Amino acid sequence: GAVVSQHPSWVICKSGTSVKIECRSLDFQATTMFWYRQFPKQSLMLMATSNEGSKATYEQGVEKDKFLINHASLTLSTLTVTSAHPEDSSFYICSARSLVEQYFGPGTRLTVT
Amino acid sequence: GENVEQHPSTLSVQEGDSAVIKCTYSDSASNYFPWYKQELGKRPQLIIDIRSNVGEKKDQRIAVTLNKTAKHFSLHITETQPEDSAVYFCAAGGSTGTASKLTFGTGTRLQVTL
Repeated sequence: GAVVSQHPSWVICKSGTSVKIECRSLDFQATTMFWYRQFPKQSLMLMATSNEGSKATYEQGVEKDKFLINHASLTLSTLTVTSAHPEDSSFYICSARSLVEQYFGPGTRLTVT
Repeated sequence: GENVEQHPSTLSVQEGDSAVIKCTYSDSASNYFPWYKQELGKRPQLIIDIRSNVGEKKDQRIAVTLNKTAKHFSLHITETQPEDSAVYFCAAGGSTGTASKLTFGTGTRLQVTL
């Protein structure tokens, strides 16, 4: 089946620094990818829709200047958490839809100290 | 936008019993309803899905039913096993187009006890 990879799988950073997370579709082209955030024991909350070659569409309440999304190619989208704060600590998961179903990446656990 | 509600939030059943999780959605335009299983610290895995032109779908011990009129759909797991213990999420969205986003329910933590 289709595979979506994510890197890094976990990262610890200091407050005020920026962190970049990569999401790749390994065996299919994804013109659209989705970024979710999941806090412990909670559901997946859609943050934004990443569109190849154009600006991302952010969900209400998500700061686009804080969560920078770049979809540079048909197989790669990146999420950069800028000026990270402890409250940004979470599990970030990307996904991509093929014509068949939506595939999730393995997630990135971000801890901001 | 779409709003998906899921119940119960936790469910404990004995091995061999059945488990039922229910979801409701608000957007009548939604026509794709997948169910995901997520184990701790791992990615959600699709276990079954249903599209609006179908009322019921079954795959071995797992079945999903959809009532478009009432805007609700349910997951049924029969003959539960300990390895079924996980968090289950329902979702609703568009079935066509790779840009169709999904809205997730709040999740149900299923525990299957021996």
